[in-house]
Amino acid sequence: GQNIDQPTEMTATEGAIVQINCTYQTSGFNGLFWYQQHAGEAPTFLSYNVLDGLEEKGRFSSFLSRSKGYSYLLLKELQMKDSASYLCAVREGTGRRALTFGSGTRLQVQP
Amino acid sequence: SQTIHQWPATLVQPVGSPLSLECTVEGTSNPNLYWYRQAAGRGLQLLFYSVGIGQISSEVPQNLSASRPQDRQFILSSKKLLLSDSSFYLCAWSEGSHSGNTIYFGEGSWLTVV
Repeated sequence: GQNIDQPTEMTATEGAIVQINCTYQTSGFNGLFWYQQHAGEAPTFLSYNVLDGLEEKGRFSSFLSRSKGYSYLLLKELQMKDSASYLCAVREGTGRRALTFGSGTRLQVQP
Repeated sequence: SQTIHQWPATLVQPVGSPLSLECTVEGTSNPNLYWYRQAAGRGLQLLFYSVGIGQISSEVPQNLSASRPQDRQFILSSKKLLLSDSSFYLCAWSEGSHSGNTIYFGEGSWLTVV
């Protein structure tokens, strides 16, 4: 099975940078995903890491360390519309297609 | 491009009534299909996934069932709803050719059991 931990809530200021951490424990690993979910809406895909290192996509970057079971999502130049929940999800093994999700981190961006 | 659509978007059902949520995917063949559930303020819980027509894997024992009558159609059902079934239900898909592919979600269905 898997255990995925991320902070429940975070607050940051518009224009700033925020880092959302995720740790996981799994018997096998085949990728880590980050999703954004606005209140009342479905999650939307942000990033995917399967190898160690940093993946950058505009204002969003995601980092993975497989040996540490650790990932973070970095959001730069925060905007009010970035207020949402951010979900960390892990795919276990090579044959399993489904993702296991953490409980999500609710980010509140303040003016 | 691929699209996923699920319906109805919202429904209110009495305890003990049946349920049917439908999901279809367009623009791809032989997708992997999933049903997730998300209780208020909680993470996503995998309910069922399917790698092909008639192939359903259940993750959590409960009073729900899933069926895949066609390649791009996935249905979530219940014969008798419980109050605890109130939740946000999400259908999702991924490319069937590779196990590492991204999962994409439908718009979701809000179910309230009264």
